Amino acid sequence: KNEVEQSPQNLTAQEGEFITINCSYSVGISALHWLQQHPGGGIVSLFMLSSGKKKHGRLIATINIQEKHSSLHITASHPRDSAVYICAVKVNTDKLIFGTGTRLQVFP
Amino acid sequence: DSGVTQTPKHLITATGQRVTLRCSPRSGDLSVYWYQQSLDQGLQFLIQYYNGEERAKGNILERFSAQQFPDLHSELNLSSLELGDSALYFCASSVYRNTEAFFGQGTRLTVV
Repeated sequence: KNEVEQSPQNLTAQEGEFITINCSYSVGISALHWLQQHPGGGIVSLFMLSSGKKKHGRLIATINIQEKHSSLHITASHPRDSAVYICAVKVNTDKLIFGTGTRLQVFP
Repeated sequence: DSGVTQTPKHLITATGQRVTLRCSPRSGDLSVYWYQQSLDQGLQFLIQYYNGEERAKGNILERFSAQQFPDLHSELNLSSLELGDSALYFCASSVYRNTEAFFGQGTRLTVV
């Protein structure tokens, strides 16, 4: 079993829909990252969380340390949100362990 | 633009060869991280340097080595290349250990 599990693996949505991507982990962490990877390959860091909730524009990330679970929400989704979203957890050695990613496609 | 610069963007080389990938971190960032993304393994952490010293090691092969120079740029050296080393190699930098990391655009390595 992977130490970081994401669901769903693939997600399609219509423009304007509310989207949720989930991440569960089984190890002790110091922080959790949400990353976005566009088809060109570049990776953008969206959030780094160690507790609670963060919001940036239409993106919201939450983490529940007790339940070892995080969610990434996208409100009013848009075709430009189409990308792979990757959850990664930082363990105490500074190592990042990555989930396998969620491929999101938003259609107009 | 994250401020992290990786060169080259693309590299095609033959099996058995050696290549060097270069990373210039964001101004002021002391930590540099190297990651490998292959089709079958996903993203994997290779190694981290902080202010010139190795701080953490992940799934880095013995054929691979890295260093961080006094000006804080870093190089990842890959030798005796095999077909399976074909991947995207990302560098990321952060100010310190538990701060947000910013990624470069990656170097796509193809071994033929």
